[in-house]
Amino acid sequence: DAGITQSPRHKVTETGTPVTLRCHQTENHRYMYWYRQDPGHGLRLIHYSYGVKDTDKGEVSDGYSVSRSKTEDFLLTLESATSSQTSVYFCAIRGGGGPLSRPPPNTGELFFGEGSRLTVL
Amino acid sequence: AQSVAQPEDQVNVAEGNPLTVKCTYSVSGNPYLFWYVQYPNRGLQFLLKYITGDNLVKGSYGFEAEFNKSQTSFHLKKPSALVSDSALYFCAVRDWKGYSSASKIIFGSGTRLSIRP
Repeated sequence: DAGITQSPRHKVTETGTPVTLRCHQTENHRYMYWYRQDPGHGLRLIHYSYGVKDTDKGEVSDGYSVSRSKTEDFLLTLESATSSQTSVYFCAIRGGGGPLSRPPPNTGELFFGEGSRLTVL
Repeated sequence: AQSVAQPEDQVNVAEGNPLTVKCTYSVSGNPYLFWYVQYPNRGLQFLLKYITGDNLVKGSYGFEAEFNKSQTSFHLKKPSALVSDSALYFCAVRDWKGYSSASKIIFGSGTRLSIRP
């Protein structure tokens, strides 16, 4: 196991409500990513982080914000959920990048969580 | 900007036959290429990667992939398919800027591989 936990695993909410998904890692990896998976679109990058308080936008960042106040947690927030945000959300981690990484050195691949299925009614 | 194309939504192969799942990519710098597999209701699992060196890379479960720079392709292959290989396969690309750099990792739309007995 890569030591990644996503919560909640399943959530049903109503349009207009705020939603926060949490990704927690125990691997001390520097890089963390949020993707959404939709039929016909594969995985699309929402936001990613390259350190505490260091984040950047991905391909489909509109309507989403993220925060990373400590190494182990990367939060994805939908400020006002819409039906188009119904999806399965995956968090991933990647090692490397200096003192935050544990040996062995970063080999580049991502380790994924089990996903969070969000339904917006 | 990086991009990845998987031209086939589905690939059907008989058990025991060779299989190929296609992937083409576009990056501004040197490519860093991956294949991942996803089983039903699970997260993605890493299969193999290409960074540099030999154009034929070997990975988990007997899979291999061939990097072709002139065709900007990274096709996934297996000499003899198993029913248990049936799953969703994703190709991904990262623009190589060194091990320690922050960079986007972009995925293709996925190819569903179906192996019939």
